[in-house]
Amino acid sequence: KAGVTQTPRYLIKTRGQQVTLSCSPISGHRSVSWYQQTPGQGLQFLFEYFSETQRNKGNFPGRFSGRQFSNSRSEMNVSTLELGDSALYLCASSLETGYNSPLHFGNGTRLTVT
Amino acid sequence: DQQVKQNSPSLSVQEGRISILNCDYTNSMFDYFLWYKKYPAEGPTFLISISSIKDKNEDGRFTVFLNKSAKHLSLHIVPSQPGDSAVYFCAASFTNAGKSTFGDGTTLTVKP
Repeated sequence: KAGVTQTPRYLIKTRGQQVTLSCSPISGHRSVSWYQQTPGQGLQFLFEYFSETQRNKGNFPGRFSGRQFSNSRSEMNVSTLELGDSALYLCASSLETGYNSPLHFGNGTRLTVT
Repeated sequence: DQQVKQNSPSLSVQEGRISILNCDYTNSMFDYFLWYKKYPAEGPTFLISISSIKDKNEDGRFTVFLNKSAKHLSLHIVPSQPGDSAVYFCAASFTNAGKSTFGDGTTLTVKP
């Protein structure tokens, strides 16, 4: 069974631009979560989608948004990029939302904002 | 306010010895706890979990202990192997919410 696939692996953008990251969950997984990892910090929760609905949202500004499609694939968008948005963005899928389902992570998208 | 804390950024142990990674949490409503392992250039992978109704869960060389009164959990790896060298993240969640709250991670180095 294929794992969680994130594209692209690396991105370099300029301040003020916007970016879209893509995530394909494991087949059959309906929940997709997004996390941000910056150097020296743990994984900061961005949002979670289940059956195309946002179920949970972290403490990030409105520049960060996401969506989930009917095939469970998800996209994350960051508008008006700032230098501080440089990070590893991780997508994770799970069978269900809650219900103690462990997260299955992709290898992430490394975003660099210059 | 960081609800899940891993106070040791790094840990170094000798191969064959025990590795003990610690994690503290502040929200007593957390009822499910997980450990993930992360190698460089890869996403975290699920390692082991424990429900708040238990105080110990074992899976091969890995054992997680939960002390609810102290709001503390630990991961024991016995015996440690060089391949265990990675960043270990502790996470906590609520049963009916999909969001997991992660600690900052502990980098484990197992020396041959």
